[in-house]
Amino acid sequence: GESVGLHLPTLSVQEGDNSIINCAYSNSASDYFIWYKQESGKGPQFIIDIRSNMDKRQGQRVTVLLNKTVKHLSLQIAATQPGDSAVYFCAEIRGFKTIFGAGTRLFVKA
Amino acid sequence: DTAVSQTPKYLVTQMGNDKSIKCEQNLGHDTMYWYKQDSKKFLKIMFSYNNKELIINETVPNRFSPKSPDKAHLNLHINSLELGDSAVYFCASSQDSVGQPQHFGDGTRLSIL
Repeated sequence: GESVGLHLPTLSVQEGDNSIINCAYSNSASDYFIWYKQESGKGPQFIIDIRSNMDKRQGQRVTVLLNKTVKHLSLQIAATQPGDSAVYFCAEIRGFKTIFGAGTRLFVKA
Repeated sequence: DTAVSQTPKYLVTQMGNDKSIKCEQNLGHDTMYWYKQDSKKFLKIMFSYNNKELIINETVPNRFSPKSPDKAHLNLHINSLELGDSAVYFCASSQDSVGQPQHFGDGTRLSIL
């Protein structure tokens, strides 16, 4: 079946360290991917996106990597801060539909 | 300025009742969505409207009926509420229907007693 999934349901990192959140997708026809951050009591918030004609995109403290060969997406957060604690979702866009992965909860230890 | 706003934020009601959730966006977007998020944080698309026209209608019981009076509003009416309807419902919008990030509201937590 088609799915967008995450390798780790929870990730705990020390403040100041780098975080890497991984995501696998199964549909090679998907051409657009987004990472969202969801804080407690809030809706998902756009972080960064990448289209299938790219393999890397950088934002402020965040980098998304796309490996189409193995259908893998990752989000790297540099110098993780307490405010980065949240649930992170990858999303795969196919035409009209956005398919969300199961989410990874990131804990940042002070 | 709230971009996507939903009301109410919390909704507690009894099984069998009918309830509505309202959503409005002031971003000038053409497309709006309803998602259901379960207790394990899994987000699933329910409906999507583009310029007031239904474009996505996932396998959702027909007790759920979306209504879009104009492209800035997408309301969700639920008839004969069941225990399994307990969840957080999110409204979202995007500039158009293909290949754009979505802006989400803060959710409506629906609890069925």
